[in-house]
Amino acid sequence: NAGVTQTPKFQVLKTGQSMTLQCAQDMNHEYMSWYRQDPGMGLRLIHYSVGAGITDQGEVPNGYNVSRSTTEDFPLRLLSAAPSQTSVYFCASSYYFVGGKTPYEQYFGPGTRLTVT
Amino acid sequence: AQSVTQPDIHITVSEGASLELRCNYSYGATPYLFWYVQSPGQGLQLLLKYFSGDTLVQGIKGFEAEFKRSQSSFNLRKPSVHWSDAAEYFCAVGASNFGNEKLTFGTGTRLTIIP
Repeated sequence: NAGVTQTPKFQVLKTGQSMTLQCAQDMNHEYMSWYRQDPGMGLRLIHYSVGAGITDQGEVPNGYNVSRSTTEDFPLRLLSAAPSQTSVYFCASSYYFVGGKTPYEQYFGPGTRLTVT
Repeated sequence: AQSVTQPDIHITVSEGASLELRCNYSYGATPYLFWYVQSPGQGLQLLLKYFSGDTLVQGIKGFEAEFKRSQSSFNLRKPSVHWSDAAEYFCAVGASNFGNEKLTFGTGTRLTIIP
């Protein structure tokens, strides 16, 4: 298994440009999510999906779009990049667990380091 | 809503010494609790998790953590650290009446190992 893969590893954008960060997993996980990691702030949830065709917003969704057309892929789109979106982006996947059940491990990709100038 | 605090931003320990990383959470019921490790330039890897049962949880790489409800803590410990343990460590708390989407991560503790 390749696990969770993310492309690209590094990206530099100019303010106002758009781009898509790719995420794919080969573990047949229902749940996929995008986090951003900023110094001193830990990981913050941007968007998540509990299955193909189902997405929802996390803690910091503004400026980002997602879709989930297949179980394997969960791309993150930046509509009009801003310097505040300079960050490291992580995609994660797991089996989905509901409340009251033993939680499953989330598997993280290696991250995409994005700089917006 | 739940929250998690890691009070130590950076800890330095000598190789072979014991380690304790602190994690305090806020949640009204029994939470899900996790410790993840992030090596430089890598994604996060799960070290251990707690949901119910024994309050002392064993994880990978010789780590353990103890859930203390009275102190709202879930501190990570290792009796003897190795140079390869140098990394950033994240505590996370989840709401037990929800699923994955309600995980909240702490701000992390960076661990430096000196020879």
